[in-house]
Amino acid sequence: ETGVTQTPRHLVMGMTNKKSLKCEQHLGHNAMYWYKQSAKKPLELMFVYNFKEQTENNSVPSRFSPECPNSSHLFLHLHTLQPEDSALYLCASSQDSPTGTKYWYFGAGTRLSVL
Amino acid sequence: AQKITQTQPGMFVQEKEAVTLDCTYDTSDPSYGLFWYKQPSSGEMIFLIYQGSYDQQNATEGRYSLNFQKARKSANLVISASQLGDSAMYFCAMRDLPSSGGSYIPTFGRGTSLIVHP
Repeated sequence: ETGVTQTPRHLVMGMTNKKSLKCEQHLGHNAMYWYKQSAKKPLELMFVYNFKEQTENNSVPSRFSPECPNSSHLFLHLHTLQPEDSALYLCASSQDSPTGTKYWYFGAGTRLSVL
Repeated sequence: AQKITQTQPGMFVQEKEAVTLDCTYDTSDPSYGLFWYKQPSSGEMIFLIYQGSYDQQNATEGRYSLNFQKARKSANLVISASQLGDSAMYFCAMRDLPSSGGSYIPTFGRGTSLIVHP
C-alpha cells in the first residue's frame, strides 16, 4: 500500500480517443506531480500542483490537460495523442516544508499505449 | 550540465553479496537532499533512502545504506546481502532549490539496472 493510487494501470487508446488518468493520494500531502517515463529516457516532469494550484508546466503539449480539484486528487486528461506519447505515466505526491521536501511517494503508474 | 549522474547503466551481482550503485550530483545550494528509488518491472517507484546535506551520519535503512561523500559530491547506494527481489532499476535523485513556482522538484538520474544472479 503506497498511499498513492493510480487508475487505470493499463490503457490502450487510439489517436482520436479521449481518456483520463486518475491519481489519488491518501497521505495528506499538499503537492502532486505528473511524470512521464519513456523507454530508455529519464523521468520527465510534466506538471506540479501545490494546494490545487498549478505551479509547474514543463512545456507539455496541450493534448495533455491536467486537473486538480483538491489536494488529494489529480487527473490527466488525454486527447488526440500521438504514438510517441506511449509511456508510463507516474503520479507522485509530497509534503513540502520550508526546509525542503524529504519524500516523494509514487503511484504504480499507468502504462499507456497509443495506437 | 547534468545535476545527477549515474554512470553504470547495468550492474550484476551474485545473490547474498553486496553491491554499490554510483551516483554523483552537482548543486551550488548548501541545503539539498539526496534520494534513492527502486523501480521493479511493475513500474512503481519505491522510496528507499534519504540523505540530507546537513546530516552528520550516513543514512541507513535495513539492507540499504547511503555512502555520502560531500566533498566528492557522491551519494552511492550500498545494498548488502543482495536478494533476487532486488533486481530492478535504481534511480538516484536530488532536491535542492525550489523552482520559480515555489515547488520542490526532484531531479532524477538515468538509472542503473541491477540484476541479481542466484
